[in-house]
Amino acid sequence: QKEVEQNSGPLSVPEGAIASLNCTYSDRVSQSFFWYRQYSGKSPELIMSIYSNGDKEDGRFTAQLNKASQYVSLLIRDSQPSDSATYLCAVDEGGGYNKLIFGAGTRLAVHP
Amino acid sequence: KAGVTQTPRYLIKTRGQQVTLSCSPISGHRSVSWYQQTPGQGLQFLFEYFSETQRNKGNFPGRFSGRQFSNSRSEMNVSTLELGDSALYLCASSLRLAGGLNTGELFFGEGSRLTVL
Repeated sequence: QKEVEQNSGPLSVPEGAIASLNCTYSDRVSQSFFWYRQYSGKSPELIMSIYSNGDKEDGRFTAQLNKASQYVSLLIRDSQPSDSATYLCAVDEGGGYNKLIFGAGTRLAVHP
Repeated sequence: KAGVTQTPRYLIKTRGQQVTLSCSPISGHRSVSWYQQTPGQGLQFLFEYFSETQRNKGNFPGRFSGRQFSNSRSEMNVSTLELGDSALYLCASSLRLAGGLNTGELFFGEGSRLTVL
């Protein structure tokens, strides 16, 4: 059973701080990794994808991938109250079928 | 550019009935995936369609089925509804890259929230 594990939170950070979200996955052959953001009552929205070991930066977001440790993380710099949402880590099962295995999500709360 | 459109947004059914949900992908996206989201199980993959063919199916009973039309629009059907089928059903579309691989970058619709009484 392929699994993606996330701490459910809530992760509470003050406005302006760095929020660090972590995810581990069980399938060593996975090649594609994604972070989705889901606001309450809304559908998931893709915010980052990462395919190679190392860091990938996009604005205030940085995704980090370590395939040897089977670990993916998302850093949100200068956190804003509007970042308060559930962040879903997803791993592509492979085979080119868009079959993503999602973690349960980490709820982030950014307080003013 | 219009996003992924799902209809209906909300529906209430009773046990034993069947339901059909519809999804129109982003223009140019030929891959359509369906996911079920519940508080207990999270997001779970149902199936994926490309070029009117089901290419992969998740671990759901045969009561869950789908299809894709030549214009890439997709429908999913759940027959003999059970209470446990109450969930948010999400459709997602994706580009298919040259060479046959999908990007895995999914664009979700707002979902169809099904309540089974």
